[in-house]
Amino acid sequence: GAVVSQHPSRVICKSGTSVKIECRSLDFQATTMFWYRQFPKQSLMLMATSNEGSKATYEQGVEKDKFLINHASLTLSTLTVTSAHPEDSSFYICSASERGHGYTFGSGTRLTVV
Amino acid sequence: GQSLEQPSEVTAVEGAIVQINCTYQTSGFYGLSWYQQHDGGAPTFLSYNGLDGLEETGRFSSFLSRSDSYGYLLLQELQMKDSASYFCAATGGGNKLTFGTGTQLKVEL
Repeated sequence: GAVVSQHPSRVICKSGTSVKIECRSLDFQATTMFWYRQFPKQSLMLMATSNEGSKATYEQGVEKDKFLINHASLTLSTLTVTSAHPEDSSFYICSASERGHGYTFGSGTRLTVV
Repeated sequence: GQSLEQPSEVTAVEGAIVQINCTYQTSGFYGLSWYQQHDGGAPTFLSYNGLDGLEETGRFSSFLSRSDSYGYLLLQELQMKDSASYFCAATGGGNKLTFGTGTQLKVEL
């Protein structure tokens, strides 16, 4: 079946630094990739939608200059959390969609900002 | 936008049947999915309803009623390993998937 590889699985960074999270579709071309954030005991909240070769579309309330998304190819999307602060500590999950084949999720990245 | 409401917690005993409800309000709706998530893990797809009615996949069944903006997930022959969070999710415009509030299922002996 379709596999999405997400790295790193865990990252600890200092406040003020930037962190990049990668999401790769291994055996299919992801026409669309989605990025979610999940705080403990809460639901997955969609942050942004990215289509290959075009700018990401951000959900209301998500700062596009803080959460930079790049979808340079049909198999790779990256999320960069810039100038991270403790309140950005969360579980970030990507999801890739191949037309007509549903959604495949990455394994998630646990970000801790200290 | 879309909002999907679920009960926050459900407790049941091993071997029992449990139903997790989901009511939604949407501005665009194509179908309802169900996902399971264990602590620290990614969501795992369980079932999808694009049309009204019941879909059965092994021990899991899912139901959708578009006229009532309502769906449910039915889990049969509960096992301890079914203890997890369950989310309904609506597919809407732009192929977006919006998740419900989530239900923590606890299976007891």
